Amino acid sequence: QVLLVQSGAEVKKPGASVKVSCEASGYTFTAFYIHWVRQAPGQGLEWMGRINPNSGITNYAQKFQGRVTMTRDTSISTAYMELSSLNSDDTAIYYCARDYVSVDYWGQGTLVTVSS
Amino acid sequence: DIQMTQSPSSLSASVGDRVTITCRASQGIRNDLGWYQQKPGKAPKRLIYAASSLQSGVPSRFSGSGSGTEFTLTISSLQPEDFATYYCLQHNSYPWMFGQGTKVEIK
Repeated sequence: QVLLVQSGAEVKKPGASVKVSCEASGYTFTAFYIHWVRQAPGQGLEWMGRINPNSGITNYAQKFQGRVTMTRDTSISTAYMELSSLNSDDTAIYYCARDYVSVDYWGQGTLVTVSS
Repeated sequence: DIQMTQSPSSLSASVGDRVTITCRASQGIRNDLGWYQQKPGKAPKRLIYAASSLQSGVPSRFSGSGSGTEFTLTISSLQPEDFATYYCLQHNSYPWMFGQGTKVEIK
């Protein structure tokens, strides 16, 4: 079955960077884009961007341009999302999700807490 | 960017009620819309894709309709497990955009 397993919770100081991983299994990793979505506490869902695991080509939401980098390692079927210059507004759960006519399968989420 | 306006932001309903949630797109998105259910502490779960196609395993009381700029999610007979927050998602063009969410609460 399709599974997306994300890395564990992180606590970071303001100004630091965080890198979240998303390991895919149960399907051909390079055949489906991976999207990243975040959710601040008590708030709605926010699309951050996506990566084509086959080519590495990315699209980022304007809000995160210059601060987010999405990469992948096809040898281990894993996608990564790195967010830099963190501030308290970046405290959120970060999800990866597979693209199949919108997104179908989601990772379990990774809580990133930004606190001094 | 395409904006998604979802309404209502919350509603109270009883078990057995018919519930309707609406999403309006700021410009036409054909049928490039999905509906998601999210329960506290859980990842979202897709209910509907391509505006009106039922995701495998999702109960038939959920249905979607619409095309272009106006879309509807209907729950024909609300069940206890349906109390959750619902989101629409447009995937016609980047940046993808979610609606603001509709929290369905018990009356």
